[in-house]
Amino acid sequence: GAVVSQHPSWVICKSGTSVKIECRSLDFQATTMFWYRQFPKQSLMLMATSNEGSKATYEQGVEKDKFLINHASLTLSTLTVTSAHPEDSSFYICSARQGNEKLFFGSGTQLSVL
Amino acid sequence: AQSVAQPEDQVNVAEGNPLTVKCTYSVSGNPYLFWYVQYPNRGLQFLLKYITGDNLVKGSYGFEAEFNKSQTSFHLKKPSALVSDSALYFCAVSPPRGGYNKLIFGAGTRLAVHP
Repeated sequence: GAVVSQHPSWVICKSGTSVKIECRSLDFQATTMFWYRQFPKQSLMLMATSNEGSKATYEQGVEKDKFLINHASLTLSTLTVTSAHPEDSSFYICSARQGNEKLFFGSGTQLSVL
Repeated sequence: AQSVAQPEDQVNVAEGNPLTVKCTYSVSGNPYLFWYVQYPNRGLQFLLKYITGDNLVKGSYGFEAEFNKSQTSFHLKKPSALVSDSALYFCAVSPPRGGYNKLIFGAGTRLAVHP
């Protein structure tokens, strides 16, 4: 099946720094990608919908200036956590939609902010 | 508010026994329903979905799920568990006509199948 690569799988950073997470669809073009966040023992929460060539659509309560999303090509979306703080520590997962029906997920990124 | 509940953090089953992983939802209308599985260090993988039609849906790896509208449930089942089924399982719903947009996930249930 289709593969979505997410990198890095884990990252530790100092408070105040920025971290970029990449999500790539390896064998298909994805006009739409999604970014989720998961806290321990809680649901995956949709943060934003990323559309190639246009601005991302953020869910209510998600700070767009904090979580910058860029979807510059049909195979790559990036999530940048700007000025990270310990409360941003979480598990971030991307997914890419193939056509109108199939959704493929990356393996996730564990972010720890010290 | 729309939500998905997976009441069990973990389910333990002996190999060869039937398994059930529970899911209930609270979404207005007729939602799309999904089950995903996540193995360690891997992305979520699609197992099965219900959109309309027969209440019993068959999916990958011998799994099936039963849609019960009156109980707003979509429990995942397998007649005979394998050790290799041990993983994290997520139930998800999408509002009516939502397709794969705005999936609402449960918190996940860890399935442990013992030899």
